[in-house]
Amino acid sequence: DTAVSQTPKYLVTQMGNDKSIKCEQNLGHDTMYWYKQDSKKFLKIMFSYNNKELIINETVPNRFSPKSPDKAHLNLHINSLELGDSAVYFCASSPWDLTKISGANVLTFGAGSRLTVL
Amino acid sequence: AQSVTQLDSQVPVFEEAPVELRCNYSSSVSVYLFWYVQYPNQGLQLLLKYLSGSTLVKGINGFEAEFNKSQTSFHLRKPSVHISDTAEYFCAVSYTGFQKLVFGTGTRLLVSP
Repeated sequence: DTAVSQTPKYLVTQMGNDKSIKCEQNLGHDTMYWYKQDSKKFLKIMFSYNNKELIINETVPNRFSPKSPDKAHLNLHINSLELGDSAVYFCASSPWDLTKISGANVLTFGAGSRLTVL
Repeated sequence: AQSVTQLDSQVPVFEEAPVELRCNYSSSVSVYLFWYVQYPNQGLQLLLKYLSGSTLVKGINGFEAEFNKSQTSFHLRKPSVHISDTAEYFCAVSYTGFQKLVFGTGTRLLVSP
């Protein structure tokens, strides 16, 4: 039973296209995130949602638009794809309140979606 | 601003040898520290965490880390590595919770026979 699942795992597309990546978590967490990992493995947060409300919006082009229909889902839509958008995008979820951390109930990542823009 | 430094981008080591992966963070009154591991083509998995209490933290797969407040360090150690430990290791720090978790640039551990 996958805790944080994201689809698709691989995405190859042409410059200028629009694409979406979906994410779902079954951990009951309040908060969900999108991270971008570049070719040098550098991991940077893009967005954070808590109970469907946008909390963190780092310096990301407005071609990237997250959407959270409910607290278990956070999708990422990217318009007008550029070569530099090629990366691995990770969805993650966590409790909002650190005092609720126990055992494995921490920031949990999906397996990643590798986006290649040609 | 909070920051994390992993000075070693790559650490080669022979199987069954001990290893230490270094992590330093910018100073603060209270801090939460984490180590994550990323195996090839997979997401990140939590190895261990420090929230409060004992400064020596034990994690999964035989790893442990020590929180050193005076040196603002949280180095990861394992007394004897296996080939299967080959992966990318990320140190992360937060002062307010997961919402502001900042990751280091990662250290690639290469274990050879």
